[in-house]
Amino acid sequence: SAVISQKPSRDICQRGTSLTIQCQVDSQVTMMFWYRQQPGQSLTLIATANQGSEATYESGFVIDKFPISRPNLTFSTLTVSNMSPEDSSIYLCSVLTPPPHTGTQYFGPGTRLLVL
Amino acid sequence: AQSVAQPEDQVNVAEGNPLTVKCTYSVSGNPYLFWYVQYPNRGLQFLLKYITGDNLVKGSYGFEAEFNKSQTSFHLKKPSALVSDSALYFCAVRRNSGAGSYQLTFGKGTKLSVIP
Repeated sequence: SAVISQKPSRDICQRGTSLTIQCQVDSQVTMMFWYRQQPGQSLTLIATANQGSEATYESGFVIDKFPISRPNLTFSTLTVSNMSPEDSSIYLCSVLTPPPHTGTQYFGPGTRLLVL
Repeated sequence: AQSVAQPEDQVNVAEGNPLTVKCTYSVSGNPYLFWYVQYPNRGLQFLLKYITGDNLVKGSYGFEAEFNKSQTSFHLKKPSALVSDSALYFCAVRRNSGAGSYQLTFGKGTKLSVIP
């Protein structure tokens, strides 16, 4: 398994500002993911972040809005830029434990974001 | 494209009774199947997964799930429900090979309420 922490756990932000969410894992992992869970909804994958390469974004998500850093095998950040109330969601970091094809994705506790 | 259906938004069960949370999936090729639980204001916790082998998979907290290939189902079960099992349950599928085979697709979730 993997123990994942996220900072901040929650935040209230003003429209037009940006927030950077940090994700720390207790072991080295190759594949990390960022998900969004809008109120009352399921999880939607934003992007896959592998160390040493550019993040891969899913349809509907762009780097300018959700820039991601992955400086090493235990850490990643997701920035939510130029926020609007529609960005109010839970943002979850996830890691895939090896072996990659049969491994399990574990999730952090989430960052609850409210944009006013 | 892969998809997951959880046909019930909510399941109510009396404490001590058996519970079932339904899940059906659609994926090209053989699936990897997962169940996660989300308690209020918490991240997702991994319960169990099916990769290969025995169709009956046992997981955390006394939960089990049965893989049925002909019915493309992976229902979550527990012989005797506890009030503490009340939470939101997500089924997820991942392809076992090919492009995008690391990507999890989630169902919309089923809210389980165990009544004392």
